[in-house]
Amino acid sequence: GDSVTQMEGPVTLSEEAFLTINCTYTATGYPSLFWYVQYPGEGLQLLLKATKADDKGSNKGFEATYRKETTSFHLEKGSVQVSDSAVYFCALSDWSGGSNYKLTFGKGTLLTVNP
Amino acid sequence: GAGVSQSPSNKVTEKGKDVELRCDPISGHTALYWYRQSLGQGLEFLIYFQGNSAPDKSGLPSDRFSAERTGGSVSTLTIQRTQQEDSAVYLCASSLGRSGSGNTIYFGEGSWLTVV
Repeated sequence: GDSVTQMEGPVTLSEEAFLTINCTYTATGYPSLFWYVQYPGEGLQLLLKATKADDKGSNKGFEATYRKETTSFHLEKGSVQVSDSAVYFCALSDWSGGSNYKLTFGKGTLLTVNP
Repeated sequence: GAGVSQSPSNKVTEKGKDVELRCDPISGHTALYWYRQSLGQGLEFLIYFQGNSAPDKSGLPSDRFSAERTGGSVSTLTIQRTQQEDSAVYLCASSLGRSGSGNTIYFGEGSWLTVV
């Protein structure tokens, strides 16, 4: 079955540091890939997505590139801010097998950014 | 509405009692999903509705769990005879169509359930 593995953290950084959160996946077909973010006390929000190989999703200074050869979708940001403190979830939606409505999530990575 | 709305936001219940969790999806969204978020388990898919039909209930953990959707809008997740392991955040989400069609899934803030 489909699965997503991401670094579990917690990750603690100082403001303006470089961020990488690793995510790798296993899928039967050709998935779409997502990063969701959950800020304290709020619901999950879509941060960015990519639907095919070599696509780069980007939003709010965050980027992730769909790498089919390494089955990865690592999240990066060049300079984090305190307001980026949140839990980040990598997820996939698999086009094959008729279950492409489901999102399969990683376990989430807690990021804390200190001033 | 502006977003997916869930109620109650917090619920503490005694073991053995039944609970109902409500979800109001974004207006016009035909697809509705329930997920469960618990410590150590991450986010688990429970059920998917397309309109009022639930073509996939495979994620419901036991027959104590059921869900319905009426009028293609509001959905209710019911947990009967609650157990302590049911304690979790129950997340509702909706999208214009099936997520695999490129439609973004929007999540509510969740209903925090604690079974004591």
